[in-house]
Amino acid sequence: DTEVTQTPKHLVMGMTNKKSLKCEQHMGHRAMYWYKQKAKKPPELMFVYSYEKLSINESVPSRFSPECPNSSLLNLHLHALQPEDSALYLCASSQVQGTTEAFFGQGTRLTVV
Amino acid sequence: GDSVTQMEGPVTLSEEAFLTINCTYTATGYPSLFWYVQYPGEGLQLLLKATKADDKGSNKGFEATYRKETTSFHLEKGSVQVSDSAVYFCALSAPSGGSYIPTFGRGTSLIVHP
Repeated sequence: DTEVTQTPKHLVMGMTNKKSLKCEQHMGHRAMYWYKQKAKKPPELMFVYSYEKLSINESVPSRFSPECPNSSLLNLHLHALQPEDSALYLCASSQVQGTTEAFFGQGTRLTVV
Repeated sequence: GDSVTQMEGPVTLSEEAFLTINCTYTATGYPSLFWYVQYPGEGLQLLLKATKADDKGSNKGFEATYRKETTSFHLEKGSVQVSDSAVYFCALSAPSGGSYIPTFGRGTSLIVHP
């Protein structure tokens, strides 16, 4: 199984809503990532978890709150977002050492209205 | 810091033409190098990889060789198909604070006409 599963695929939320994005992998990877991708741009790193601990936060606004409840799951909690936060949010996972290619999910297309 | 530079697109080709997408990198260590492909509305799929100098990665007719002397990892395909139309990202993975962080180039859009 080389899949990273993200839910939901599409999400429309108001600026006062609270929502969560979910990501799951069963490849035994101990590094998990959140990326944000705007149209016609490369993915931008947001957060990295290594062994279920937050290791990198790329100065992301606090309205984005990541959580890694166990080695297979990664969540991104959203609160009080702005329209400019509308984007494709990608989750990825990889081994921490050794063969380090990242496997990506299909993404959640988020629209903030 | 580490970075990846890709040629600007779009690259527009006719079916069965030869494809080259240039990619060069800057890294302080010995990174692994990757090409990812993104079809419209989808996530990124790993296309091929190379983990050390002179390695050649290949998949689905695409190939790229890790050239340490020129810090390059150019993507090639001998005969493209309409179904190859997508955005291609060159990436490297190098250690950073105990993790290996994928760093992406800007992406190159490929459009193949019948």
